[in-house]
Amino acid sequence: EVQLVESGGALVQPGGSLRLSCTAAGFTFSRSWMTWVRQAPGKGLEWVANIKGDGSEKDSVDSVRGRFTISRDNAKNSLYLEMTSLRPEDTAVYYCATLRGSSDTRYFDYWGQGTLVTVSS
Amino acid sequence: DIQMIQSPSSLSASVGDTVTITCRASQNIYTFLNWYQQKPGKAPNLLIHGPTTLQSAVPSRFSGGVSGTDFTLTIRSLQAEDFATYYCLQTHKTPYTFGQGTKLEIK
Repeated sequence: EVQLVESGGALVQPGGSLRLSCTAAGFTFSRSWMTWVRQAPGKGLEWVANIKGDGSEKDSVDSVRGRFTISRDNAKNSLYLEMTSLRPEDTAVYYCATLRGSSDTRYFDYWGQGTLVTVSS
Repeated sequence: DIQMIQSPSSLSASVGDTVTITCRASQNIYTFLNWYQQKPGKAPNLLIHGPTTLQSAVPSRFSGGVSGTDFTLTIRSLQAEDFATYYCLQTHKTPYTFGQGTKLEIK
């Protein structure tokens, strides 16, 4: 059974930093693209960042580029999101998910339960 | 960036009804369109990808359609557990973008 468990969410002041973790089980983590998606309170979903299985390719949305860094440790079956220069608009539940696909389809299939990040003074 | 215009933003229906939700892409996204269901306090759940392939364990009353850059999610014979918020997601190009969501409520 695939399991994804996020942790690290907290209340942080504007300008602060935080590292989110996502621990994976039940699939071959090192071969899987992974992604972070966030959802502000009462709002819709926003894709944040992707990383390839071996960590060689990464991409992120413009609003976090230069502030957030996605990384992984395949020996620990763990995905990370290092967040710096946090802003109130970064307040959201952050989900990690597996990203699967082929030549004509690409989708987030398994999701964690989410971890809440609140940026406020 | 590719914009996904989802409509309607909310919808009231009764158990047993058939409803259709639409997403229009601002450019050609080929078959890179997925549909998710989200219930309050829970993570999204993948319903359909590709954009007509039903994810395993998803009931067959859910179906996806496509015509050019217009994508549809149809739910036939609504059940009580189907009342939730639905999102489309394009994964053709980054930044991947979601539709604004459709909240399906009981009439």
